Amino acid sequence: NAGVTQTPKFRVLKTGQSMTLLCAQDMNHEYMYWYRQDPGMGLRLIHYSVGEGTTAKGEVPDGYNVSRLKKQNFLLGLESAAPSQTSVYFCASSHNPGRVGVEQYFGPGTRLTVT
Amino acid sequence: AQSVTQPDIHITVSEGASLELRCNYSYGATPYLFWYVQSPGQGLQLLLKYFSGDTLVQGIKGFEAEFKRSQSSFNLRKPSVHWSDAAEYFCAVESFQKLVFGTGTRLLVSP
Repeated sequence: NAGVTQTPKFRVLKTGQSMTLLCAQDMNHEYMYWYRQDPGMGLRLIHYSVGEGTTAKGEVPDGYNVSRLKKQNFLLGLESAAPSQTSVYFCASSHNPGRVGVEQYFGPGTRLTVT
Repeated sequence: AQSVTQPDIHITVSEGASLELRCNYSYGATPYLFWYVQSPGQGLQLLLKYFSGDTLVQGIKGFEAEFKRSQSSFNLRKPSVHWSDAAEYFCAVESFQKLVFGTGTRLLVSP
């Protein structure tokens, strides 16, 4: 039982390049989330998904796209990377259809640098 | 809008001393509150959560937190800090099944 895994762990991009971050969970969770973590700003929600085939915008969605084609996977895409997207990205998942107060389980993070 | 404030960016505590990390929230209804810990280079791990009942909540690793509605606070405490507690701590409030995080408090433990 690996929990939540993220690929890759580190990446350096040049401005304008594209990439996809992969999040996978083996807990059969319905909800999945992408956050970015920046110094002094905590974690901010980028996009989230409440089930396979559905996605929704979070607090800071601009410049990112997501897809949830399979229940266990949640992909975060950067079509044209910018230095402002240098950050640590965390994926999380939870099992909470219709419930509240449910724990989110986090992956280990992806450190992305855009030069 | 719901928000969480962690007023202390850094806190240094001597090993064996007690710890209190502050968290204040802004939320109209009964809040669902969480404390997460992030060890260096790691993801976040849930320490404890509050959503109803007893206002003193026990968590893992010897941590506890007290919900005080009158002060809109959910402070995290530990009676005796260990060097392994050095980490960043995040308070969060649930809003429509999404989490809103505070900016975090980095705990340093001195020998």
